[in-house]
Amino acid sequence: GAGVSQSPSNKVTEKGKDVELRCDPISGHTALYWYRQSLGQGLEFLIYFQGNSAPDKSGLPSDRFSAERTGGSVSTLTIQRTQQEDSAVYLCASSLNWDNGYTFGSGTRLTVV
Amino acid sequence: EDQVTQSPEALRLQEGESSSLNCSYTVSGLRGLFWYRQDPGKGPEFLFTLYSAGEEKEKERLKATLTKKESFLHITAPKPEDSATYLCAVQARSGGYNKLIFGAGTRLAVHP
Repeated sequence: GAGVSQSPSNKVTEKGKDVELRCDPISGHTALYWYRQSLGQGLEFLIYFQGNSAPDKSGLPSDRFSAERTGGSVSTLTIQRTQQEDSAVYLCASSLNWDNGYTFGSGTRLTVV
Repeated sequence: EDQVTQSPEALRLQEGESSSLNCSYTVSGLRGLFWYRQDPGKGPEFLFTLYSAGEEKEKERLKATLTKKESFLHITAPKPEDSATYLCAVQARSGGYNKLIFGAGTRLAVHP
């Protein structure tokens, strides 16, 4: 597609439930990133994929968070046993070259109640 | 530790009133400094990449400059449509790849 697509755009879930967030990057972009943005905060790095491998998972806040990427394309971020502090906007971005800047999706707003 | 600090947190301008946003950074070997614009409910939109001190880039009413410790985003004669949050990010050589470290942003409001 022309841009980075994320789904769903909004998700309300009950505390303790699992959620899956999806990212479709720009076709041909080998690098894919997940960031989290809490209200009034900067973007917090979660994980980086190059192709299907994740050389840096250092930003995942706990073992409840996991992500995978298949076919060098679609990525899924899974949060298990959601907590209220997981409420945030989860942003996905892709890039072809590091100095072109990332192209971000519009994000998934996750609300844990 | 690599760090990015943006100031002010919020800025209110009258249409046509020029000003500058600041991004101070501490990084172990700068590969690039990035500016993004973010509108409410949207993801950040790429504006500029700066690579070395002294470099400048322009786009419409925006001009970004870079020194060894900070970057400025100058807004000349702003219009209400320039209202957005402006984010600064750095990429460090120590990162080994493409991770960007973001500041918290400056919320700009331009009033007619």
